[in-house]
Amino acid sequence: ILNVEQSPQSLHVQEGDSTNFTCSFPSSNFYALHWYRWETAKSPEALFVMTLNGDEKKKGRISATLNTKEGYSYLYIKGSQPEDSATYLCAPNSGYSTLTFGKGTMLLVSP
Amino acid sequence: GAGVSQSPSNKVTEKGKDVELRCDPISGHTALYWYRQSLGQGLEFLIYFQGNSAPDKSGLPSDRFSAERTGGSVSTLTIQRTQQEDSAVYLCASSWDRGNGNQPQHFGDGTRLSIL
Repeated sequence: ILNVEQSPQSLHVQEGDSTNFTCSFPSSNFYALHWYRWETAKSPEALFVMTLNGDEKKKGRISATLNTKEGYSYLYIKGSQPEDSATYLCAPNSGYSTLTFGKGTMLLVSP
Repeated sequence: GAGVSQSPSNKVTEKGKDVELRCDPISGHTALYWYRQSLGQGLEFLIYFQGNSAPDKSGLPSDRFSAERTGGSVSTLTIQRTQQEDSAVYLCASSWDRGNGNQPQHFGDGTRLSIL
């Protein structure tokens, strides 16, 4: 079981704001870092799986960076929209298939 | 294509009863996972199946919990003698992963279990 910290716990922004949140994890025995988006009344949806230090991935207005040496990943949302409202979960793993999820960052975007 | 399917979507039962939750993974996915989210908590790993290998049961909270995966496809999570603390959303996921965790997991909509 890995110790995973996500911050902030919740975030409320206005439509059009850009925002970012953090996932911290142990840097030892790192293999991959997963990001998921979980909208209310829906199932969690995979956003990114990242493995390389310095890696940056992008999906539309959402991007993520990874620092495996210091054990953190940032998720950025550019120009937030109300449909981005969701809980964003990160989950590192150490080369084994099971994931340890953080408690998530709950994002609310107001129109 | 069809995603991960879970049933029932909601289940209300009395304390002490047994419940069975079903998961139909994406066809061809070798890996299948069960998680639960209790109120105010994060996603908690329960059990992991990979192909024909023995399942990783390290996340099951007590011996009242068990799961099986028949024919490498459909999985059933069984909770015996349910307790109120078993109330949670139970999520199933599947993936192409072969054991090193670098493939995304695809989740079902979950079963919301309420124990009265």
